[in-house]
Amino acid sequence: NAGVTQTPKFRVLKTGQSMTLLCAQDMNHEYMYWYRQDPGMGLRLIHYSVGEGTTAKGEVPDGYNVSRLKKQNFLLGLESAAPSQTSVYFCASSYSGALKNIQYFGAGTRLSVL
Amino acid sequence: AQRVTQPEKLLSVFKGAPVELKCNYSYSGSPELFWYVQYSRQRLQLLLRHISRESIKGFTADLNKGETSFHLKKPFAQEEDSAMYYCALLYNTDKLIFGTGTRLQVFP
Repeated sequence: NAGVTQTPKFRVLKTGQSMTLLCAQDMNHEYMYWYRQDPGMGLRLIHYSVGEGTTAKGEVPDGYNVSRLKKQNFLLGLESAAPSQTSVYFCASSYSGALKNIQYFGAGTRLSVL
Repeated sequence: AQRVTQPEKLLSVFKGAPVELKCNYSYSGSPELFWYVQYSRQRLQLLLRHISRESIKGFTADLNKGETSFHLKKPFAQEEDSAMYYCALLYNTDKLIFGTGTRLQVFP
């Protein structure tokens, strides 16, 4: 049981390049989340999804897009990367209902934008 | 607006000493609070939540609505408690807002 898997683990981009981060979960969770973690800032929610085919904005959505075409996958896209998007990105998932706020996290993706 | 404040970036104690990690929140609704922990080279994981009113690994946390606090406590720290601790608040029924975290170092 892999839980929440994020790929890639590390990536270096040049300003203006695009990329997609993949999050996959094998727990049949309804909810999925993308966060970024910056020094001294804690985790901030970028986008989230409450089910297949749905997405919603979090605290810091600008510059990112997401898609949830399959229940087990949640993709985070950067169309034109900027140095301000250098961060560690975490994906999380949870059940719906009473357990929805117990989130299971991936190992993180460290992204550097030069 | 909702906010979670963890005033200490680093808390250092010796093994066997009591530990209190502070968390204060600001929220207009009925608060639901959590403590998440990240051990070295491990993933962020839930430690406890206030509605469960349970003790996990010797840690407890009581919600104090009057002081808008949810401090994490343990009477006798162990070296294996060394980790990064995040307090989190549920808002709008399905989103969490995290504090900036406190690193706990327990020395032998």
